[in-house]
Amino acid sequence: QKEVEQNSGPLSVPEGAIASLNCTYSDRGSQSFFWYRQYSGKSPELIMFIYSNGDKEDGRFTAQLNKASQYVSLLIRDSQPSDSATYLCAVSNYQLIWGAGTKLIIKP
Amino acid sequence: DAGITQSPRHKVTETGTPVTLRCHQTENHRYMYWYRQDPGHGLRLIHYSYGVKDTDKGEVSDGYSVSRSKTEDFLLTLESATSSQTSVYFCAISDNRNSNQPQHFGDGTRLSIL
Repeated sequence: QKEVEQNSGPLSVPEGAIASLNCTYSDRGSQSFFWYRQYSGKSPELIMFIYSNGDKEDGRFTAQLNKASQYVSLLIRDSQPSDSATYLCAVSNYQLIWGAGTKLIIKP
Repeated sequence: DAGITQSPRHKVTETGTPVTLRCHQTENHRYMYWYRQDPGHGLRLIHYSYGVKDTDKGEVSDGYSVSRSKTEDFLLTLESATSSQTSVYFCAISDNRNSNQPQHFGDGTRLSIL
């Protein structure tokens, strides 16, 4: 059974701090890794994707992938109240497997 | 934003009635997906399509059927709705099923079965 695990949270972070979201996966053959953001009552929207070990930066977001340890992280720098949402991790080895999401709350 | 339209956006119906949800895309993407999302379960794949008239089951396909007669339309049917099918349903599309292609989502349909 292929699994993607995320801490459900809520993860509470002060405004301006770094929010760190983590995701572990069971399928060692996984090739692509995606982070989606979902606001309450809305649909998931793609934030970032990463394919190779290491870091990938896009504005205030950094995705970190460690295939040997089978985890992928999302860092959000200078967190804003508008970042408050549920963050979904998805992992693909031709079949996309979704985590249940981590709820992030940014406190002003 | 990807051109994906789901209809209806909200629906309330009774147990035992048939229900059809529609997903319409303007991106000419080959792959289309139906998910349901329930608290604590995340997104679960119901069915997907890899072309006109080509569909396959996902992990929670029991009680659901799909049809795709045109590239742009993917229909999800609950033949006889049950209360356990109360959920939020999302349609997604992708350009292909290679690992490096993300999926993009419609706005969802909130379905309540009383």
